[in-house]
Amino acid sequence: QVYLAESGGGVVQPGRSLRLSCAASGLTFSDSAMHWVRQAPGKGLEWVAVISYDGNYKYYVDSVKGRFTISRDNSKNTVSLLMSNLRREDTAFYYCARYSPENWAFDYWGQGNLVTVSS
Amino acid sequence: QSALTQPPSASGSPGQSVTISCTGTSSDVGGYNYVSWYQQHPGKAPKVIIYEVSLRPSGVPDRFSGSKSGNTASLTVSGLQAEDEADYYCSTYAGNNNYVFGTGTKVTVL
Repeated sequence: QVYLAESGGGVVQPGRSLRLSCAASGLTFSDSAMHWVRQAPGKGLEWVAVISYDGNYKYYVDSVKGRFTISRDNSKNTVSLLMSNLRREDTAFYYCARYSPENWAFDYWGQGNLVTVSS
Repeated sequence: QSALTQPPSASGSPGQSVTISCTGTSSDVGGYNYVSWYQQHPGKAPKVIIYEVSLRPSGVPDRFSGSKSGNTASLTVSGLQAEDEADYYCSTYAGNNNYVFGTGTKVTVL
């Protein structure tokens, strides 16, 4: 069974940094492109970032470019999101998700981790 | 990249059908047959119910069906059941390593 477990969320002041992590099990992690998707409380889903299976390619939604950095460690089956210069509008549940190369869909999701940016 | 447009809400009585639209552009929905649909119950993570426009993952009831015409994709839930009450989101690959979700539709079973 596939399991994605996010950690690292919490309350952080505007302008500060926070790192989210996602530990994966039950899938061939090193073959999987991994994404972060966020959802502001009561709002819709927003794609945030993707990292290729080997970590060589990283892409971001425009609103987080230059502030967020996605990374992975295939030896530990983990993907991380370093969020810097946080803004109030970054407040959201952050989900890590695997994008299936066969089905072109997000087939596995973590449970979500709340990040609150507030002074 | 702009979110795909979905109606905010849809509703139907048990046993009826409801169809949700997802409108994008020729650069996203119209450009790729990679539209997927997700069901999200309150407090839960999204779950894929349709991928590649019209295919269902194993375990998803055949009451859920998807289609696409031009820049608009659609999800139909036939034979509505109480457990279908949830939020539904479309999504697609939008080129240039970008991905986009729809604005979301809340389905209410009357």
